[in-house]
Amino acid sequence: KAGVTQTPRYLIKTRGQQVTLSCSPISGHRSVSWYQQTPGQGLQFLFEYFSETQRNKGNFPGRFSGRQFSNSRSEMNVSTLELGDSALYLCASSPSGTGNRFGDEQFFGPGTRLTVL
Amino acid sequence: AQRVTQPEKLLSVFKGAPVELKCNYSYSGSPELFWYVQYSRQRLQLLLRHISRESIKGFTADLNKGETSFHLKKPFAQEEDSAMYYCALMIPGTYKYIFGTGTRLKVLA
Repeated sequence: KAGVTQTPRYLIKTRGQQVTLSCSPISGHRSVSWYQQTPGQGLQFLFEYFSETQRNKGNFPGRFSGRQFSNSRSEMNVSTLELGDSALYLCASSPSGTGNRFGDEQFFGPGTRLTVL
Repeated sequence: AQRVTQPEKLLSVFKGAPVELKCNYSYSGSPELFWYVQYSRQRLQLLLRHISRESIKGFTADLNKGETSFHLKKPFAQEEDSAMYYCALMIPGTYKYIFGTGTRLKVLA
C-alpha cells in the first residue's frame, strides 16, 4: 500500500496570508490526525477526523481549521498566518480509530514544511 | 492536564552500552503508551506500544503506573539506533495523542 502523502512538501507564505495543506491517508484508513512539529515544542496535536467528523482538537487558536472528505482525504487551513506558525505539519492516518488498541498505530506522512516570512 | 515529559533532549552513549530513554506521563487513568522513532531522513514510525509487551529491535519498555513512567531500554546500543525518539500517550476513547518533546539518541562508535 502507498503511504500517507502530503502536499505540498514545502510552502513559503507571508504574514497575514492563509494556507491550505492536504493529506491523503493510506487506503482504507478512516482516521486522520494533524500535528504541528517545532524544535522547541515537539509534536503538538491539532485535530483528528474520522468519517468527516472532527472528534477531538488540541489547544490551537481558531485560525487553525480542518476538514475531511468522504474519501478520507483531509485538509487543514491556517488563516492570517503569523511568524510563529512556521513549522513542519504532519499528518497521520490510522486504520479504524475505533479505539481498537491494535488499530491505533499512527502512520505518518513526510510533512509539509511551512515557512512564514 | 495530560502531559508527557522526556527530560533528556540528547542522550549520547557508546556502542554496546546500555540505553535508557526516560518518559514520564501525567494521567490518572489507564493510558495507551507508545514509543515512536524517527531515523534520519525517514518518517516518524511506531517502535513499540505497551499493550503488546513486545521487544522491537532489541528495545523494550515497561509501564510503571506507580511512577507513571514508560522508559525505553536496550541492553546493548548499536550505531543504527541513532535517531529521535518520541514517547506518546493516548487517552482511550479520545483519539488524541500527546507526544513528548523527544530525545535524540546518538550512539557513538
